[in-house]
Amino acid sequence: NAGVTQTPKFQVLKTGQSMTLQCAQDMNHEYMSWYRQDPGMGLRLIHYSVGAGITDQGEVPNGYNVSRSTTEDFPLRLLSAAPSQTSVYFCASSYTRGPNQPQHFGDGTRLSIL
Amino acid sequence: GQQLNQSPQSMFIQEGEDVSMNCTSSSIFNTWLWYKQDPGEGPVLLIALYKAGELTSNGRLTAQFGITRKDSFLNISASIPSDVGIYFCAGSAYSGAGSYQLTFGKGTKLSVIP
Repeated sequence: NAGVTQTPKFQVLKTGQSMTLQCAQDMNHEYMSWYRQDPGMGLRLIHYSVGAGITDQGEVPNGYNVSRSTTEDFPLRLLSAAPSQTSVYFCASSYTRGPNQPQHFGDGTRLSIL
Repeated sequence: GQQLNQSPQSMFIQEGEDVSMNCTSSSIFNTWLWYKQDPGEGPVLLIALYKAGELTSNGRLTAQFGITRKDSFLNISASIPSDVGIYFCAGSAYSGAGSYQLTFGKGTKLSVIP
């Protein structure tokens, strides 16, 4: 009964380093997305995917890349980390991309960029 | 992009009191969702609303989808200490190319005094 699993839970990077945040879901959901949560800002959509091989940009995509090679996995890559990317990152999934499919969230990755 | 105004930002209440929070927008949404986030965890769906005017309950929680489709409220009756957390509203709207995007409010932080 895993749901949406995010790894790592915590990470500290130096400016300029790259890393990949992992997200996996075991519910056979088509739709997956990445959000960042900053104090006082709520959750903002970074990238999303409506199915394997299809990705698109959300509200704040700059500095992040994604790919969706399988239905289960949706990794988020930071190519050159910047302090402004210090945040809590949440992955979410839903069965379809339609309006009647509430998203299920992972427990987040807390990322600090020094 | 679309914005949601969620209020209040924070509230301190005595155990046993009722709580009310709301979200408003200048845009129309197809779906309204209410999530709760506990410290160190991802948001968990509380209630989903799919039709204008819909009133839905989940235990001590009641939420309504506004008639204009531009607002929603969440009530919690007889609050208990485990109600502590951050409550988010989210609206789902068509974003083109057959896809729907979720826009989040900035959250209401609820503190319950025993």
